Amino acid sequence: GAVVSQHPSRVICKSGTSVKIECRSLDFQATTMFWYRQFPKQSLMLMATSNEGSKATYEQGVEKDKFLINHASLTLSTLTVTSAHPEDSSFYICSAGDGGNQPQHFGDGTRLSIL
Amino acid sequence: SQQGEEDPQALSIQEGENATMNCSYKTSINNLQWYRQNSGRGLVHLILIRSNEREKHSGRLRVTLDTSKKSSSLLITASRAADTASYFCATEASGSRLTFGEGTQLTVNP
Repeated sequence: GAVVSQHPSRVICKSGTSVKIECRSLDFQATTMFWYRQFPKQSLMLMATSNEGSKATYEQGVEKDKFLINHASLTLSTLTVTSAHPEDSSFYICSAGDGGNQPQHFGDGTRLSIL
Repeated sequence: SQQGEEDPQALSIQEGENATMNCSYKTSINNLQWYRQNSGRGLVHLILIRSNEREKHSGRLRVTLDTSKKSSSLLITASRAADTASYFCATEASGSRLTFGEGTQLTVNP
């Protein structure tokens, strides 16, 4: 079946560092990918919709300049957390689908810890 | 914002028992999906039920959808310890965008 690969699975870095997370669809083309953030024991919060070849659509309250999204190809979207601070520590998950009315395929998530 | 509400928030049962989780939503939908998440991992798709469907089965899973009440339920029969996980419902209104419920933490005790 379709698989989404997300890397890295875990990042620990110092405050002020920028961190890039990759999300790849391995066996299908994804014109749209989604980025979520999840705090411990909470649900997934949609951060932004990544659109291939165009600007991402951000949810209300999500800082565009803090969370940079690039979707340069039909199989790769990247999320860059710029100048990360301890409050950015969280679990970030991406997903992609084959189109509407179809299940989404999720990456395994990235645990980001900012010291 | 999350539009889905799930209950219970946490459920603890013995192996072999059935587990029922409920989900309510607020807007019109194209479909409703159930996902499972093991601790610290991504989500695994379980079942998708379209707005014109009322019930769907997959193995030990049974999902119902009542669009008049804007609610859905997930039933896991003959539960196993390996079913221990968080379960989320998610609604799709348009454009593949999902809105997740708050989730139910299921613990199945051996």
